[in-house]
Amino acid sequence: GENVEQHPSTLSVQEGDSAVIKCTYSDSASNYFPWYKQELGKGPQLIIDIRSNVGEKKDQRIAVTLNKTAKHFSLHITETQPEDSAVYFCAASILTGNQFYFGTGTSLTVIP
Amino acid sequence: SAVISQKPSRDICQRGTSLTIQCQVDSQVTMMFWYRQQPGQSLTLIATANQGSEATYESGFVIDKFPISRPNLTFSTLTVSNMSPEDSSIYLCSVSYRDRDGYTFGSGTRLTVV
Repeated sequence: GENVEQHPSTLSVQEGDSAVIKCTYSDSASNYFPWYKQELGKGPQLIIDIRSNVGEKKDQRIAVTLNKTAKHFSLHITETQPEDSAVYFCAASILTGNQFYFGTGTSLTVIP
Repeated sequence: SAVISQKPSRDICQRGTSLTIQCQVDSQVTMMFWYRQQPGQSLTLIATANQGSEATYESGFVIDKFPISRPNLTFSTLTVSNMSPEDSSIYLCSVSYRDRDGYTFGSGTRLTVV
């Protein structure tokens, strides 16, 4: 089955700096890659996603890049703010299937 | 976006007892799922809740321990049976829609077994 690895497990940045979280996947059949943000005491919230027919997608301060050949994808957050502090999970799936395979999470702390 | 109401939000239970968690969605969804998130860990799929039929369980999870019901397109329950401290986790309901990608998660049930 699919195996998703996520790095780093913890990340601290100064407010205003950029943060990058990286994930790799093993199954070349995976074609959908969402990113979730989980704040303390809440369920994960979808923040951005990308399909395998696209190399990059941006939404304001966040962007995701995908390298299908290398089987890795990354989340980029620019101009970080304290409210970006949370745990971020990447995931990989096949759009026609049910199973989402989640990474192990990255705890991001933005220092004011 | 969908509104998912998950109850209870948290509970402390005695070992050997059972707890039923409810998930109510404000619109009809294609699929409903139950996840477990152990402290500081990632999300693990327990099962897919199928409307009107038995749930589909992932490896390591069995119906006797985690019975699931889904009587209609907007409601599901997960029961954690004969609980032990190892069952202490956050249990999350999630749903998917035919016309959009990704899952929407409920806010979770934080279960502590003592």
